Amino acid sequence: AQTVTQSQPEMSVQEAETVTLSCTYDTSESDYYLFWYKQPPSRQMILVIRQEAYKQQNATENRFSVNFQKAAKSFSLKISDSQLGDAAMYFCAYRSGDTLAGSYQLTFGKGTKLSVIP
Amino acid sequence: DAGVIQSPRHEVTEMGQEVTLRCKPISGHDYLFWYRQTMMRGLELLIYFNNNVPIDDSGMPEDRFSAKMPNASFSTLKIQPSEPRDSAVYFCASIVNQNTEAFFGQGTRLTVV
Repeated sequence: AQTVTQSQPEMSVQEAETVTLSCTYDTSESDYYLFWYKQPPSRQMILVIRQEAYKQQNATENRFSVNFQKAAKSFSLKISDSQLGDAAMYFCAYRSGDTLAGSYQLTFGKGTKLSVIP
Repeated sequence: DAGVIQSPRHEVTEMGQEVTLRCKPISGHDYLFWYRQTMMRGLELLIYFNNNVPIDDSGMPEDRFSAKMPNASFSTLKIQPSEPRDSAVYFCASIVNQNTEAFFGQGTRLTVV
């Protein structure tokens, strides 16, 4: 079974600074997807960024980028120019790419609570 | 599309009562998932459907929990009888296929007193 570990229960960053959230995972599969979801106080789960394991290039979405290290099974999220609206819980998630096994569910880490200091 | 719609947003019930949570997935999404979020266990999968058929219900905690998907646009998660330890946020999510990201509803916060 796959596991996802987020070792930082809480992080804080000054507004306009950069912060990196860590995520490691354990899998024996070679084909899979990784995601970062944001959960603000409203409770809504919002997709921040996704990465396909077969892609070597790190995904980027505006101020959000990832550092995907497949061999190390590491998938960290970097938030640049942090804004007050970035304050939220951030969850790292894994999904199998094995279409035959049909494992389409997400496996989540326990989350990192990010605070942004004005 | 309005996204994944869940109802109610909040539910407070007494122990022993039946609770029904509802979900409308995004039109055209063939997969529907029910997740539960608690402080202790985080986000965990309860069950998921493909084309209205339950595929994996290994996360359903016990027989008090049941889920149905009578058609492509509606699913229910029922707890009968409810217990205080069922208090959690229950999310519904849907995807088009395995290559796409999951879209979540706003969740139902269930409190059993």
